[in-house]
Formats: sequence, structure tokens, C-alpha cells
Amino acid sequence: GAVVSQHPSWVICKSGTSVKIECRSLDFQATTMFWYRQFPKQSLMLMATSNEGSKATYEQGVEKDKFLINHASLTLSTLTVTSAHPEDSSFYICSARAPGLAGGEQFFGPGTRLTVL
Amino acid sequence: AQKVTQAQTEISVVEKEDVTLDCVYETRDTTYYLFWYKQPPSGELVFLIRRNSFDEQNEISGRYSWNFQKSTSSFNFTITASQVVDSAVYFCALSAAGDSGYALNFGKGTSLLVTP
Repeated sequence: GAVVSQHPSWVICKSGTSVKIECRSLDFQATTMFWYRQFPKQSLMLMATSNEGSKATYEQGVEKDKFLINHASLTLSTLTVTSAHPEDSSFYICSARAPGLAGGEQFFGPGTRLTVL
Repeated sequence: AQKVTQAQTEISVVEKEDVTLDCVYETRDTTYYLFWYKQPPSGELVFLIRRNSFDEQNEISGRYSWNFQKSTSSFNFTITASQVVDSAVYFCALSAAGDSGYALNFGKGTSLLVTP
């Protein structure tokens, strides 16, 4: 149990286009989902926290108009990178928490590698 | 604010050697959780262990062991008799309720290379 999927696993797009990444909890209901970003050879940094049915909370320095997050259901959160540019090329990983989980416990998706040309 | 420091950027050992990865953390919360994750070249995070701040008992799982010391704010990870398959980047992370609802604060990671 506790499986989180991400789609697509990798994507290459042209500069200026928008890309949508899906994060799904397959066998549990995720009231909270987190989006992290990892640049090459760097650590994972939290971008935003999304709670089902409410607006996402973005970390300082993350442009909410550029990285649109929607958590419309208990099993799906989406991250849309709008007007992507080469500097947005990164590894994006989501994680999901369910009610009742012990503190900090969360399940990670396999990640999406975005390359913007 | 939470902070996790992994001072070792890269470690290289020969197979069968023991290796310890250091992790030092900072937090003002009295209740917090510490984690170790392994990230192989594929990028997927592999969960290794979770510890809460009230449980200082050391843990051993096969060749892996963890030493949690609140007095020094450290949560070190030791691999005994390392193997080539242990080569990966290892992240230490900290989580607390006040942090965006238990989001993880990651250290910068330690890249471990085990050579035959």
C-alpha cells in the first residue's frame, strides 16, 4: 500500500510552453500533498504545500503564478509549470500525506524530470 | 526555523568498509521527526528510517544502523560492510508540525561511492 504515482516520468518541452505534472495517491486519500524541486546535484527544496479543496501555500521565492498547483480531489494534485524556461529544468517530486499518519510520514512519487529547451 | 546539515558532500569507500554519514539538525520544536532517504541514480527516493524526537533508542536494520543523540542534535547513519549497491546520495531530513504541515527539510545530501 501507500503508493504515489507521478505522470509523466520525464518531459521535454520548448521554452514558453506549459507543462502539467500529475501526482496521484493510488491506494489512500491524501489530504496534503507536497511539491519539491531538485536541481542537478542539489538537495530537495519544498516548493509548495497543497491541501485538498484549498489554495496551495507556496514557499518564499516560488512564483505562484508560474507554478500552478491544484489539489481538487483527495487522490490527485497537479503542478503546472506555465511558460517554462530553461531555468525551470529540474526534477520535480511530489509526496502525499493521509490523515492519521504519524508526524512527518509521507509517501513520495517517483519524480518527473523536466527539461526545457 | 529548521535546518539540517550534512557536512560530508562526497564519500568514497572500498567495498566491505564501514562508513558513517553525519547529520546535524537545528530546530526549536520539542516534537520533531528525523528521516534518512536514499536516492539512487534513478532519482526515486527510498525511505530508510523515521525517528521521533522522544525516541533516542538506536536502531539497527541489517547492515544499517542509526545513532540518534539529542544532546548533540545528531542523527548519524552507519553502513556496515558496504556494498557497491549502496552507492547513492543519502539525505537526512527533519519535519515538524509547524513546518507547512510536516513538510520535510532536507540536508544537502552525501554522495556515497562504494568501489569494488
